Amino acid sequence: KAGVTQTPRYLIKTRGQQVTLSCSPISGHRSVSWYQQTPGQGLQFLFEYFSETQRNKGNFPGRFSGRQFSNSRSEMNVSTLELGDSALYLCASSLEGLRNSPLHFGNGTRLTVT
Amino acid sequence: AQKVTQAQTEISVVEKEDVTLDCVYETRDTTYYLFWYKQPPSGELVFLIRRNSFDEQNEISGRYSWNFQKSTSSFNFTITASQVVDSAVYFCALSEAYSGAGSYQLTFGKGTKLSVIP
Repeated sequence: KAGVTQTPRYLIKTRGQQVTLSCSPISGHRSVSWYQQTPGQGLQFLFEYFSETQRNKGNFPGRFSGRQFSNSRSEMNVSTLELGDSALYLCASSLEGLRNSPLHFGNGTRLTVT
Repeated sequence: AQKVTQAQTEISVVEKEDVTLDCVYETRDTTYYLFWYKQPPSGELVFLIRRNSFDEQNEISGRYSWNFQKSTSSFNFTITASQVVDSAVYFCALSEAYSGAGSYQLTFGKGTKLSVIP
């Protein structure tokens, strides 16, 4: 069974630009959640999508948004990039959701904002 | 206050030593879930264990064991006879209800970096 796939692996963007990250979950998993990992703040939950609906949301500004398609693939968008958005962005999929299901993580997208 | 506290930022042990990673959590939820994840140097987080708030039984899986105590809000993780391959960052996480209406949030601790020296 293929694991969670995130593309691209690396991104370099300029302040003020926007970026879209992609995540393909494990086949059969309907929940996709996104996380930001930085040395200072650690791992922080962004949001979760389940069957194309945003089900849970962390404490991030509206510049961070996402969506999920009918095939469960998900995209995360960050608009008006700031230097502080530089981070490793991780996507995870699960069968029933982050409430009580183990999460299967991808390798992440390393975003650098200059 | 942090909802999930992993007080040990870094730990170094010599191979074959036992090591315990501490995790203390804070929640008002009566039904919640606790998790441990491992992030090896390769970067991909790997699920280790899940425990719900009603199940206080300790669990052992090979060299790994977990001690869940609601009375002290702790969910500690012990590796017996550590090996170099155990070197990684270990995260404890709490899933709890958030602002009602069936919403939940997942909060990770800052992680404990374990280095096992041969």
